[in-house]
Amino acid sequence: EPEVTQTPSHQVTQMGQEVILRCVPISNHLYFYWYRQILGQKVEFLVSFYNNEISEKSEIFDDQFSVERPDGSNFTLKIRSTKLEDSAMYFCASSARTGLAKNIQYFGAGTRLSVL
Amino acid sequence: DAKTTQPPSMDCAEGRAANLPCNHSTISGNEYVYWYRQIHSQGPQYIIHGLKNNETNEMASLIITEDRKSSTLILPHATLRDTAVYYCIVRGNNYGGSQGNLIFGKGTKLSVKP
Repeated sequence: EPEVTQTPSHQVTQMGQEVILRCVPISNHLYFYWYRQILGQKVEFLVSFYNNEISEKSEIFDDQFSVERPDGSNFTLKIRSTKLEDSAMYFCASSARTGLAKNIQYFGAGTRLSVL
Repeated sequence: DAKTTQPPSMDCAEGRAANLPCNHSTISGNEYVYWYRQIHSQGPQYIIHGLKNNETNEMASLIITEDRKSSTLILPHATLRDTAVYYCIVRGNNYGGSQGNLIFGKGTKLSVKP
C-alpha cells in the first residue's frame, strides 16, 4: 500500500539553526500538507500546498517557515532559525487529485524535532 | 467547519464492539464527517467518512443520525491494536484549488482492554 515517507524520524538541532524536514508524498497525489503536534497537545495545521504554491497557512506558519517541492517527489519544510518552542512532531500529509478522495489526507509517521 | 464534541476517553473489552460518539450539531448541509485515529504518536490515520448515509469499510462503520447532528463510529470487534485517540472532524469538500486543513480536537482516547 502506498504511503507517505518522512525523514529523518528524529532530528536534534541547536536553537537558531536551520532545519529541513523531508517528505515523499504518495506518488499520484497533488495536495500536500504539514502539521505539527507539540508533546501532549493537539495536532495543528501548518500549511497546505498545491500547484507549486501555498494554498493555506495557519498563524503558526510565520516567516521562519517555508515549504518547497524541489523535484517531482519531495516536499520539504524548512525552519530558518529554530526556537525551543519549535520542538514537536511534524507530520506531512498528502491527498489525491480529484473527487471525494482528494479530501482524504494520508499522513506520514512524522519527524520528531528536538531543539536544544 | 463545524465544531465537534467527543467524550475524552472510553474503554472497550477486546473482541467487543467499540462505539465512539460525536456531536456536531452545527454541521451544515455540504459538510462531511471524517474519522481519523492516532496510535501513540504515530501519524493520524484515515478511517472513514460520510455525508448522510451510513458507511462501512474494512476498518469500521459510520452511523450518522437523520438530522446529521451526531454520528457514531463503530469498530465491530475491537483489538488491542485499536487502542488510540479517535478524532471526529467535520469539514466541507472543496472542489476548487484550496484543499483546506483538518482541524483536530482532543478526540476520544479509546483503551481496548484484554
